[in-house]
Amino acid sequence: AQSVTQLDSHVSVSEGTPVLLRCNYSSSYSPSLFWYVQHPNKGLQLLLKYTSAATLVKGINGFEAEFKKSETSFHLTKPSAHMSDAAEYFCVVSGGGGADGLTFGKGTHLIIQP
Amino acid sequence: DTAVSQTPKYLVTQMGNDKSIKCEQNLGHDTMYWYKQDSKKFLKIMFSYNNKELIINETVPNRFSPKSPDKAHLNLHINSLELGDSAVYFCASGRRSGITGELFFGEGSRLTVL
Repeated sequence: AQSVTQLDSHVSVSEGTPVLLRCNYSSSYSPSLFWYVQHPNKGLQLLLKYTSAATLVKGINGFEAEFKKSETSFHLTKPSAHMSDAAEYFCVVSGGGGADGLTFGKGTHLIIQP
Repeated sequence: DTAVSQTPKYLVTQMGNDKSIKCEQNLGHDTMYWYKQDSKKFLKIMFSYNNKELIINETVPNRFSPKSPDKAHLNLHINSLELGDSAVYFCASGRRSGITGELFFGEGSRLTVL
């Protein structure tokens, strides 16, 4: 069994300040973890993925995430927010069933203040 | 070239009508999915097809019937539409084997039932 919890439903930051979106997971297997982004009226796009290689994963648009097994966390960060980062972000865990076995978090809505 | 394309992008219809959404992927993936996203952005898997074979069929009313004529296409037909069917429906494709778990999403079809 696996689950994922996104700890904040909304996060608001000012443009140019750091972004932190929090995600905790549980999994009976060695998980693969993903962050997806959904811009308004668009489909989801993969930001980055962890699949048991380096624990610090770099993604597109300056985002990165660190896999911490001891804390069962996979938080998403970006040093400096841009207005175009305003979107919905989903943390996803896979228990090894390939694309079939994905569990999506409920999403975090990121708001960027000018 | 769009990787996962779904049509139509918007549907507005009356209760009791029947409607279809079409999806096509040109990524050579062996598995395609339908997801439903509600007004709170929560994503729920509905169906998964692998090489035209139904793999996942979550608890979905039997008014929803997926059809996969070949592994590049997955259509969704909905009979006797109800108000609660109003949502955004996403098609996605991926690979069932391996640990990649990366999905490619279409831009969504927003269904409004009046």
